[in-house]
Amino acid sequence: EIVLTQSPSTLSLSPGEGVTLSCRASQSVTSRYLAWYQQRPGQAPRLLIYGASNRATGVPDRFRGSGSGTDFTLTITRLEPEDFAVYYCQQSWTFGQGTKVEIK
Amino acid sequence: QVHLVQSGPEVKKPGASVKVSCKASGYSFDSAGISWVRQAPGQGLEWVGWVSSYNDNRKYSPKFQARVTLTADTSSSTAYMELRNLRSDDTGFYFCARIQRGSGTILDYWGQGTQVTVSS
Repeated sequence: EIVLTQSPSTLSLSPGEGVTLSCRASQSVTSRYLAWYQQRPGQAPRLLIYGASNRATGVPDRFRGSGSGTDFTLTITRLEPEDFAVYYCQQSWTFGQGTKVEIK
Repeated sequence: QVHLVQSGPEVKKPGASVKVSCKASGYSFDSAGISWVRQAPGQGLEWVGWVSSYNDNRKYSPKFQARVTLTADTSSSTAYMELRNLRSDDTGFYFCARIQRGSGTILDYWGQGTQVTVSS
């Protein structure tokens, strides 16, 4: 079973800053099945990135996914107030434990 | 546009069963499968299983295999999750989500979640 490890667990940042979140798989995975989700407090998750680097419908271009093999990243180039949330990566039917991006 | 609307909150006693519904609209229901994901209080996302909306295929997480049944009713565009023999650690939010066509596992639209509380 593949294990996804996200780092860091929590990030404290200010609006306008950029951030890169990491998702590492315990073994090489197919990029086609790698996704990132955003979950704001009290809301359902929302698909951001699929196929490791494709933005879902309506996702702003400040969100960028990349990676292959065992190492994947989600970059937010300039944090907006609505971007402070928890981010999960997913490969097949396994989710990472999440990275919380909080306001400093 | 695509919407998944789930049934309301449930409070159950240990040992009971719960059945959560997920009504789809805005797309052809039988063109995509539905997956279910659990989120315990303050915790991350945990896959429960998926069900096809166009054939009889389904797959369950080993953790839930013995206690869960997922179904899909094409006549009403509604998917269901039944969880039996509830325990206190089944408390949490249960989300349904559409499986992106052709992707196998990507969840492109989510329901609002159903809170299930298991308490004596």
